[in-house]
Amino acid sequence: QQPVQSPQAVILREGEDAVINCSSSKALYSVHWYRQKHGEAPVFLMILLKGGEQKGHEKISASFNEKKQQSSLYLTASQLSYSGTYFCGTGGGSQGNLIFGKGTKLSVKP
Amino acid sequence: DAGITQSPRHKVTETGTPVTLRCHQTENHRYMYWYRQDPGHGLRLIHYSYGVKDTDKGEVSDGYSVSRSKTEDFLLTLESATSSQTSVYFCATTTSGQVETQYFGPGTRLLVL
Repeated sequence: QQPVQSPQAVILREGEDAVINCSSSKALYSVHWYRQKHGEAPVFLMILLKGGEQKGHEKISASFNEKKQQSSLYLTASQLSYSGTYFCGTGGGSQGNLIFGKGTKLSVKP
Repeated sequence: DAGITQSPRHKVTETGTPVTLRCHQTENHRYMYWYRQDPGHGLRLIHYSYGVKDTDKGEVSDGYSVSRSKTEDFLLTLESATSSQTSVYFCATTTSGQVETQYFGPGTRLLVL
């Protein structure tokens, strides 16, 4: 079951904040966040694991609500370089593979 | 950068022809994945490998096969290409399944006419 991301797209001015949500219909063990710029490969941002462990980018924060099967990515004081499409990938057990959402397109304007 | 290369980077082929895409990594990662990316669908898993000669199907495996004879190489074959397989294909690797970072290759753009 593909996780649902919201919003599908968002436009910001430099310095504004944004929140991107990722919701699953099944129990989650891990949530991954990646950013992809046009024509490039996805790049790792963060992993959140069941139990509270986080690994990732120092300037980007995220939350993982295991009970609600949701994760949110917080982008504060956005910069032009934050533009791109953000994907969440969810894993349902300690083994197994990720299932990616359809992505959220973020555009940061000067 | 996990030292992942994909070849070819771009390919145009005709319906019905076989096509093989190669993914090569230099990090000795155990897990390797093939995804396809299409507008409106995100990244969808085609096949994956958890070791040499150990492979399994993903959610969109029909029409594709894979092989992994060496740790560093993971091949994706379209036995008889169709227009619906026009896509961008990404290879990814990781050390330990879903609890570690997936590193993506640069992608292969495939156009099937």
